[in-house]
Amino acid sequence: GQQVMQIPQYQHVQEGEDFTTYCNSSTTLSNIQWYKQRPGGHPVFLIQLVKSGEVKKQKRLTFQFGEAKKNSSLHITATQTTDVGTYFCAVNSGNTPLVFGKGTRLSVIA
Amino acid sequence: DSGVTQTPKHLITATGQRVTLRCSPRSGDLSVYWYQQSLDQGLQFLIQYYNGEERAKGNILERFSAQQFPDLHSELNLSSLELGDSALYFCASSVEMGLNEQFFGPGTRLTVL
Repeated sequence: GQQVMQIPQYQHVQEGEDFTTYCNSSTTLSNIQWYKQRPGGHPVFLIQLVKSGEVKKQKRLTFQFGEAKKNSSLHITATQTTDVGTYFCAVNSGNTPLVFGKGTRLSVIA
Repeated sequence: DSGVTQTPKHLITATGQRVTLRCSPRSGDLSVYWYQQSLDQGLQFLIQYYNGEERAKGNILERFSAQQFPDLHSELNLSSLELGDSALYFCASSVEMGLNEQFFGPGTRLTVL
């Protein structure tokens, strides 16, 4: 079945530093979604990417879909304590259900 | 607040027992998904229903079953519970079956003692 690798598993940064998490698949993807889960909370949808090479921005967050549609990244510029949480990518190919990566847990030290 | 509700919030039970988790999707959403989240496994897709019919199955054990009712709420039944079934169970909903964002409920934390 569809598998997705997300790295790193954990990331600790000082407030103000940048942060990037990567999502990699061995197969070509139809789309990729990114979710954020705050500690003790539930996953919340951030964005969906569908086009090869697509780049989308949300304030300090930049999302990118690889040219081959096999990988994606989420970059946060100048992290803040409100960015703390686990960031998941979720992928599918064709009409298959979404498969979630194991997530990257971000800690921000003030 | 995502608009998805789940009950109960917490559930503590013993091995061998059976429990039912309930989910009400966002108004207008026809698709319901169930996920299991444990510390080392991330979010594992269990099953999806669309407008009352099962549409996709993931890593759902035979001891688990689910259904979606005509009013679109869904129930996940877990039986012959084992210690390893302790986890957070999330329900999510989306407008359709396809490439739509999913809205997650607050989850039910199941503890099997």
